[in-house]
Amino acid sequence: GENVEQHPSTLSVQEGDSAVIKCTYSDSASNYFPWYKQELGKGPQLIIDIRSNVGEKKDQRIAVTLNKTAKHFSLHITETQPEDSAVYFCAASTGNYKLSFGAGTTVTVRA
Amino acid sequence: DAGVIQSPRHEVTEMGQEVTLRCKPISGHNSLFWYRQTMMRGLELLIYFNNNVPIDDSGMPEDRFSAKMPNASFSTLKIQPSEPRDSAVYFCASSLSGPEAFFGQGTRLTVV
Repeated sequence: GENVEQHPSTLSVQEGDSAVIKCTYSDSASNYFPWYKQELGKGPQLIIDIRSNVGEKKDQRIAVTLNKTAKHFSLHITETQPEDSAVYFCAASTGNYKLSFGAGTTVTVRA
Repeated sequence: DAGVIQSPRHEVTEMGQEVTLRCKPISGHNSLFWYRQTMMRGLELLIYFNNNVPIDDSGMPEDRFSAKMPNASFSTLKIQPSEPRDSAVYFCASSLSGPEAFFGQGTRLTVV
């Protein structure tokens, strides 16, 4: 089955700096790559996703890039703010119903 | 849109008791998922329903776990009898077909 690896497991950044989280996947048939943000005591929230027919997608301060050849994708958060502190999960899917999740990255934004 | 609604938010029960978790998916969504989240194993898919029919229950850990979806707006996950190792956060998620899933707030289950 699909194996998704996520790095780093923890990330501390100064407010205003950028944060980058990287994921790799194993199944070359994967074509859907969402990112979820989970705040303490809440469920994972879908914040951005990308499909295999594009290489980059942006939404305000967040962006995701995809390299299908290398089988990796990344989340970029610019101008980080304290409210960006959370656990972020990447996931991959072959387009059916199954999502394979990474282990998560705990992001702390220092004021 | 109220999103996926789960109840209860917290449940504490004694070992051996029956536990029922409830979920109301987003209106119009035809796919429903139950996930379990633990520190050791992360997010695990337990069962997937499409149009109220269970399609994949390979993630259900044991026969003690069962799930039903009697209609498009309601699903339950039942554990009978519960054990301490079942302690986890259980999430329900729904989607308008496909993997683009929207999660509920979760039920934190503690079995003592």
